[in-house]
Amino acid sequence: GAVVSQHPSRVICKSGTSVKIECRSLDFQATTMFWYRQFPKQSLMLMATSNEGSKATYEQGVEKDKFLINHASLTLSTLTVTSAHPEDSSFYICSARDMLHYLGVEQYFGPGTRLTVT
Amino acid sequence: QKEVEQNSGPLSVPEGAIASLNCTYSDRGSQSFFWYRQYSGKSPELIMFIYSNGDKEDGRFTAQLNKASQYVSLLIRDSQPSDSATYLCAVNDSNYQLIWGAGTKLIIKP
Repeated sequence: GAVVSQHPSRVICKSGTSVKIECRSLDFQATTMFWYRQFPKQSLMLMATSNEGSKATYEQGVEKDKFLINHASLTLSTLTVTSAHPEDSSFYICSARDMLHYLGVEQYFGPGTRLTVT
Repeated sequence: QKEVEQNSGPLSVPEGAIASLNCTYSDRGSQSFFWYRQYSGKSPELIMFIYSNGDKEDGRFTAQLNKASQYVSLLIRDSQPSDSATYLCAVNDSNYQLIWGAGTKLIIKP
């Protein structure tokens, strides 16, 4: 149980274009999903917290107009990187919280999306 | 500032030995503690969680929690080369959000 999928796994796009990444909880309902970014050999950096049916909460320094997050259902959240630039190239990982589990605090991660902007 | 501290390593352990990974946290209100494993180029994978003081065992893994000392550890018995990865410690805050450590890189030498 507690499987999270992410699509696409890899994407290459040209500078200035937008890219959408999907995160789905396959066998549980996720009231909350999280979006992380990880640069090579660095630790996870939380970008935003996404609650179903409401606006995402962004961490300090993360541009909400550049990283659009939509959490329209209990099983799907999307991250759109708008007007991507080479410095946005990174490993983007989503995670979801299982609302049925005791305390519901642990997060289950998707496999990640490697974005390369050329 | 709520913090979770881990030694970045690398921690090198011979195959078959016990690997001991440590984590300290600053928020005394934390109640849930998690260990994740992350292989290079992959996303984190939940290994264990612990809520109560003491030890919790799952196969070759044992999580140890000492709330008085604000300390949580992960022991890996009979270490295998496949255990080589970065181990992330995460602790919940009073809002039940996870605070992450930077991770300890573990290398198991054959």
